[in-house]
Amino acid sequence: NAGVTQTPKFQVLKTGQSMTLQCAQDMNHEYMSWYRQDPGMGLRLIHYSVGAGITDQGEVPNGYNVSRSTTEDFPLRLLSAAPSQTSVYFCASSYSSRNQPQHFGDGTRLSIL
Amino acid sequence: GESVGLHLPTLSVQEGDNSIINCAYSNSASDYFIWYKQESGKGPQFIIDIRSNMDKRQGQRVTVLLNKTVKHLSLQIAATQPGDSAVYFCAEKRRGKLIFGQGTELSVKP
Repeated sequence: NAGVTQTPKFQVLKTGQSMTLQCAQDMNHEYMSWYRQDPGMGLRLIHYSVGAGITDQGEVPNGYNVSRSTTEDFPLRLLSAAPSQTSVYFCASSYSSRNQPQHFGDGTRLSIL
Repeated sequence: GESVGLHLPTLSVQEGDNSIINCAYSNSASDYFIWYKQESGKGPQFIIDIRSNMDKRQGQRVTVLLNKTVKHLSLQIAATQPGDSAVYFCAEKRRGKLIFGQGTELSVKP
C-alpha cells in the first residue's frame, strides 16, 4: 500500500514553462487536495476535489489548474511558471471531505528560474 | 481577521521532559482540529485530531486539549524523545477546508 505518491520529487523550470505535478493515491479516497509550503509558513490550499469530476479552488488557486478524471489521480498543472511559484508542493487525500485527517505525500520541490 | 497561529515558533526541551505546543484560532465555527508532525524533507504526518464537541483526546504519548472558550488548542507530548524533533502544525477545518498554522519547531536535547 503506497499511500499518496507524488512525482517528480524535484524539478527546475524556467519562467514561462509549463509542467504537471503528478499525484496518485491507492487508498480509494474521495477527497484530494494540493497545498504549497513556503519557508516559514504553513501549508496553503491551492485546489481540492471531493470526487472524480469535481474540483474547486482553495486559498491560492491563481496560476494553477487541476482535473480529476479518476478517483486515484489528481494532477496539478502550472500553465506558465513564475518565480513566485517556487515552493514545495504537497498532495493529500482523505476518505471523504468530512472531519477526517488527510494523508500527505512527500512533496515536489519546484524551483522556477 | 481569522487565523490559526502558534504562540512560539521554536521550542527546545530536554529528552524525557514533557512538551507542550500551543495553537490559537479565531473562528469559533471551526469544528475539527488536527495536529501534524513534519520531519525535514517529508510530508506532514497525522498525529491526532479532535472534534469541537470534545475537550481532550489522548493517543500514544500525545494528548490534545481544546479550550473553546479562549479558542486555544494544545499538543502535549509525554517523555519527549529525539525522534520527536520536527515541526508541528495545527490545522482547523473551516468551511470544509483545512487551514494550517505556521508551525512550531520542536528541538529535543539529549
